[in-house]
Amino acid sequence: GAGVSQSPSNKVTEKGKDVELRCDPISGHTALYWYRQSLGQGLEFLIYFQGNSAPDKSGLPSDRFSAERTGGSVSTLTIQRTQQEDSAVYLCASSLYGVQETQYFGPGTRLLVL
Amino acid sequence: AQSVTQLDSHVSVSEGTPVLLRCNYSSSYSPSLFWYVQHPNKGLQLLLKYTSAATLVKGINGFEAEFKKSETSFHLTKPSAHMSDAAEYFCAVSRAGGTSYGKLTFGQGTILTVHP
Repeated sequence: GAGVSQSPSNKVTEKGKDVELRCDPISGHTALYWYRQSLGQGLEFLIYFQGNSAPDKSGLPSDRFSAERTGGSVSTLTIQRTQQEDSAVYLCASSLYGVQETQYFGPGTRLLVL
Repeated sequence: AQSVTQLDSHVSVSEGTPVLLRCNYSSSYSPSLFWYVQHPNKGLQLLLKYTSAATLVKGINGFEAEFKKSETSFHLTKPSAHMSDAAEYFCAVSRAGGTSYGKLTFGQGTILTVHP
């Protein structure tokens, strides 16, 4: 079956522009996570969705970052007024809701802010 | 609070020799522990996980890890390295329940190099 997909795979943007990153989780997975992977910070948690609700947004680095999930499926991570320090690989993962379920990761979106 | 420390940023082995990647964790709760592997320009793939069952966990591709509560460790081992094992490995901890349900906290990663 299909795994987690993310689009675009690569995004180059200019400082100050807004970007949207998309995640399609595995069908039926109710939990969805966004992480960021950067050279200086390693792998960091950004936000967690259960269905369409986000009970944990504690990892979003600033109010320029927001995310939503619709229909309990697709999620979009939006970065407004991008800065060079936003350059990173943004990873999405999904899992079935339950105790200690495995998270399945997508291939990531590589974002470069010039 | 949770944290993970991977004790080696780089490990280099010869093909056919054993692999040991070290991970220590800190958690205020009973942890679930994971090892993921990331090949260049690829996403993360789960190798194995510990979820309070058997302390010796077997994963894919011949990897295994042992949960040692007294040492707060979860080291990853493989008896014989293969060239295809060359990748970056991440240890991670999570906590079931609460508003941070399933959230993974990762170590900084260990790059494994395998020499012919």
